[in-house]
Amino acid sequence: EAGVAQSPRYKIIEKRQSVAFWCNPISGHATLYWYQQILGQGPKLLIQFQNNGVVDDSQLPKDRFSAERLKGVDSTLKIQPAKLEDSAVYLCASSPPNRLDTQYFGPGTRLTVL
Amino acid sequence: GQQLNQSPQSMFIQEGEDVSMNCTSSSIFNTWLWYKQDPGEGPVLLIALYKAGELTSNGRLTAQFGITRKDSFLNISASIPSDVGIYFCAGQVETSYDKVIFGPGTSLSVIP
Repeated sequence: EAGVAQSPRYKIIEKRQSVAFWCNPISGHATLYWYQQILGQGPKLLIQFQNNGVVDDSQLPKDRFSAERLKGVDSTLKIQPAKLEDSAVYLCASSPPNRLDTQYFGPGTRLTVL
Repeated sequence: GQQLNQSPQSMFIQEGEDVSMNCTSSSIFNTWLWYKQDPGEGPVLLIALYKAGELTSNGRLTAQFGITRKDSFLNISASIPSDVGIYFCAGQVETSYDKVIFGPGTSLSVIP
């Protein structure tokens, strides 16, 4: 079974530029999550999708971050414009139906904002 | 808001030693989860606990769900070099979407 795929693995941008990350969850997983993991900290949930609907985006900085999951499968997370404090690893995860206690994580995208 | 604390923050042990780490919170959780993260990878689920007092093992790993539902611990017996990594506890809140909150992690180094 293929795991959660993310791209790119690394991205370096200057502040005020835009960036987008892509995630393809495990086939059949209806729930998809985006987490931000700052160096030395645990993952922090940014947004959770159930199919193509948002169920929790309470910690998403909506003035600069946006995410979509148009067909209920893959998802993109965008930052526009980026700030220095956005430097982090952005993790995507997915859960099987009715098993929200079990999250499978992708390898993450490491973003550096200069 | 809900927050998890993990201790110790980091630990250095000799290969073959046993390891103990814990996770505490001021909030009650319905499920406790323990994940391990290797460098450059996403976290991987090790153990899930669903009932207060529950003790669960996965190979050399044993975890317990605290009676108060506000804490959990993880033990690793006879550590080996591949145990190196960051261990995160996570608590799951019973809501319509079962939100998971992660602790800050315990970094484990094993000296051969």
